[in-house]
Amino acid sequence: ETGVTQSPTHLIKTRGQQVTLRCSSQSGHNTVSWYQQALGQGPQFIFQYYREEENGRGNFPPRFSGLQFPNYSSELNVNALELDDSALYLCASSLTSPGGTQYFGPGTRLTVL
Amino acid sequence: SQQGEEDPQALSIQEGENATMNCSYKTSINNLQWYRQNSGRGLVHLILIRSNEREKHSGRLRVTLDTSKKSSSLLITASRAADTASYFCATDGGSGGSNYKLTFGKGTLLTVNP
Repeated sequence: ETGVTQSPTHLIKTRGQQVTLRCSSQSGHNTVSWYQQALGQGPQFIFQYYREEENGRGNFPPRFSGLQFPNYSSELNVNALELDDSALYLCASSLTSPGGTQYFGPGTRLTVL
Repeated sequence: SQQGEEDPQALSIQEGENATMNCSYKTSINNLQWYRQNSGRGLVHLILIRSNEREKHSGRLRVTLDTSKKSSSLLITASRAADTASYFCATDGGSGGSNYKLTFGKGTLLTVNP
């Protein structure tokens, strides 16, 4: 059984660019959630995907979008990057049962200059 | 916005001592979970306690939940230097049916000195 993996580990972009982050869920998990963690803060929920559909969204603008693929892997896309988008982006996978444990990947550190 | 607030923000103890961290939250919940994070890396799940449970143990960890006070505590006994990390509580469920997302506090930074 493999855990949650994310790529890339680190990324540097400039303001206005677009970025795609990738996540492979833990074996057997069909739900993927994305979180943004600014320095010194707790993670903030961005959105969740279940069976390739968005299943819930946090307070993030539409330039944050996502995809889930038939193998349950997922992408997070951010358009028109802003300086405040600099953060650690965490992906978590879980089984569909509400309130279940979410298992996190190591994260992608995004720096926007 | 943050649902939970961990207390204290930072805690420094000696190896072998016990560490207690507290978490308060604002709305009703289905579950409360504790996670550990080492140096800005991924979160490691420690323990989940359901809203109808009052206490739970896992190894050196003991979690309590008081839904009337909307608070939880995490006790780490016989701490080790390897326990040095940030600890977060996270809640899900409650009013609005937000079962799908976890809402985190800002965390407690625990330092265990050898």
